[in-house]
Amino acid sequence: GIQVEQSPPDLILQEGANSTLRCNFSDSVNNLQWFHQNPWGQLINLFYIPSGTKQNGRLSATTVATERYSLLYISSSQTTDSGVYFCAVVDNFNKFYFGSGTKLNVKP
Amino acid sequence: DGGITQSPKYLFRKEGQNVTLSCEQNLNHDAMYWYRQDPGQGLRLIYYSQIVNDFQKGDIAEGYSVSREKKESFPLTVTSAQKNPTAFYLCASSMPRRRHANTGELFFGEGSRLTVL
Repeated sequence: GIQVEQSPPDLILQEGANSTLRCNFSDSVNNLQWFHQNPWGQLINLFYIPSGTKQNGRLSATTVATERYSLLYISSSQTTDSGVYFCAVVDNFNKFYFGSGTKLNVKP
Repeated sequence: DGGITQSPKYLFRKEGQNVTLSCEQNLNHDAMYWYRQDPGQGLRLIYYSQIVNDFQKGDIAEGYSVSREKKESFPLTVTSAQKNPTAFYLCASSMPRRRHANTGELFFGEGSRLTVL
């Protein structure tokens, strides 16, 4: 299967700081998604980004498929950004592979 | 509203009992998935189904069973053979984009927390 590695595993920020989360994957993929898991366990879709760059408010993501990585940028972080961020890729058999996540703690 | 509904949200079970977790979607998605998440850990795939009446084992299928008799429903049974069933269970669905062999966006339900007493 496809290996997905996320870094860093843990991140502590002061409110207002910026951060970059990274997702590396071991094979060509047709789809890459970023999710935010809130403290109640709900997984929220952030970006569906097989390639290129997308922005949504203070968040943006870039995927460079040829080099097998994706970056999630969080600017002007807020306490509500806390939680775990997962990236996921999918193979040609519609099986999704998840990274182990980046746990973000934004302090007021 | 379109979405994925999981029930119950919380469930307590005695050791040796089977329990079934419900997952219903009205997104008209072909593919459905069950994941298990332990505290502080990532998601592990239990079973997935790409079409009605067909499903495949994931990475940790032992002690679990599923059925896919209807497109919108994909129930998961946690059997007494599952040695450590206490966990958070997440159901998801997607609409594969067959034309280009790409897979569409994955969406999750709110999850079911199972505790074995």
